[in-house]
This record gives sequence, C-alpha cells and structure tokens, in this order.
Amino acid sequence: QQPVQSPQAVILREGEDAVINCSSSKALYSVHWYRQKHGEAPVFLMILLKGGEQKGHEKISASFNEKKQQSSLYLTASQLSYSGTYFCGTLISASGGSYIPTFGRGTSLIVHP
Amino acid sequence: SQTIHQWPATLVQPVGSPLSLECTVEGTSNPNLYWYRQAAGRGLQLLFYSVGIGQISSEVPQNLSASRPQDRQFILSSKKLLLSDSGFYLCAWSLTGATDTQYFGPGTRLTVL
Repeated sequence: QQPVQSPQAVILREGEDAVINCSSSKALYSVHWYRQKHGEAPVFLMILLKGGEQKGHEKISASFNEKKQQSSLYLTASQLSYSGTYFCGTLISASGGSYIPTFGRGTSLIVHP
Repeated sequence: SQTIHQWPATLVQPVGSPLSLECTVEGTSNPNLYWYRQAAGRGLQLLFYSVGIGQISSEVPQNLSASRPQDRQFILSSKKLLLSDSGFYLCAWSLTGATDTQYFGPGTRLTVL
C-alpha cells in the first residue's frame, strides 16, 4: 500500500513556508523524500530511518514520527528553486521476504516571485 | 562515483511496434535495479525490480517485460506497444540493504501513437 501525501498541491510566494505530510496505514520503518522538477527525474533529498529522527539541509527539513506512522517535510522561506513535485517513499514487504519501494502520489509545489 | 544512463531520451512509436529501453549503471557492483513508469501528472509506478543477474520480479501485469543480462544492465521490452504504454520511464538503482535509497536515471519519454 502506497503512502498518502497531503496536500496534493501548494502554491506559495517566495519566502513563505510549507509543510508536506506523508502517512501510512502500515508501520513505517524508513521514509525517503525526493523532489522532481518538471520533465526531469526525481532526486533524492533525505532519508529518515528512526522514529523521532529529524534531518535538514539548508532550509528543507523533515521529521519522522514512527508511532503515528507519518513523516513531514518542512520548506522554510521557500525559494523559486523549490518548485517541483515532492514524493515520499517507503518500503513494503514483497514476496519472498524482500522489500520493495513504494511512493506517495506526490505534492506539487509552486513558488511564485 | 556512481552514474546511471538511460537511452533513448525520447521515443515516438506506433501502436503495435516493439520496444527496447536500456539502462546501465557505472561505479557500483551488484546493485538492485528498478523500472518505473510515470504517467503525465501522476506518481511513480514500480514495474519491475531485480536483485541480481537473471532475477526479475514483476509488480504489475502488463505487456512489458524486463531482463538483466549483465550485472549493471537492465532492459525494458515490449513485443507490441499499446497506447496506454505512453509515459515517462525511469530506471533506478539502489544498494542492497535496508535503506534502498533510489537513484534515478534521466528517464525516457515514450509516446505511443
């Protein structure tokens, strides 16, 4: 089952903040965040492996609440370059005891001047 | 450092024609390899994944197939394309392990007419 992202779309002006949420009906053991610019491939942003973990790079950070089975991505003082579609991803069990990646449907973020 | 290549970058094919998309990874050994399809404005759908040469797992029934003839080569094929096969095809690799962070290739944009 794929994780659920909200909101589906966000429109901001430069300098405003945004939060993108990712939740799962099943236990989350790790959460990945990716950003995809229009017409390009997704690019890995960060991974959170443990409940309570928080990570950040410049003004983009994320948290992982293992008990609530959810993660949030925080974009602070957004820049034009933050525009794109953000995906969260996690692993789900597959046949043979392996784990495979699954992604949310994405959140479109548009930053205006 | 690791790099991933995909070709061709764009492809326009008539309905009923065959398909072959190629993906190669450099700078790593025995990676996990993945094929995804992304329809316009949609999320990432995992099509196939492979944990080793000759080992292919399919996630979605379709008229596509995948092969891994060499450790760092992954091929997506079809004998007869359908209109619904149009989309953005992404190859990705990850290191074997718990995190499975996905590193995506540049993608192939396929239009079936």
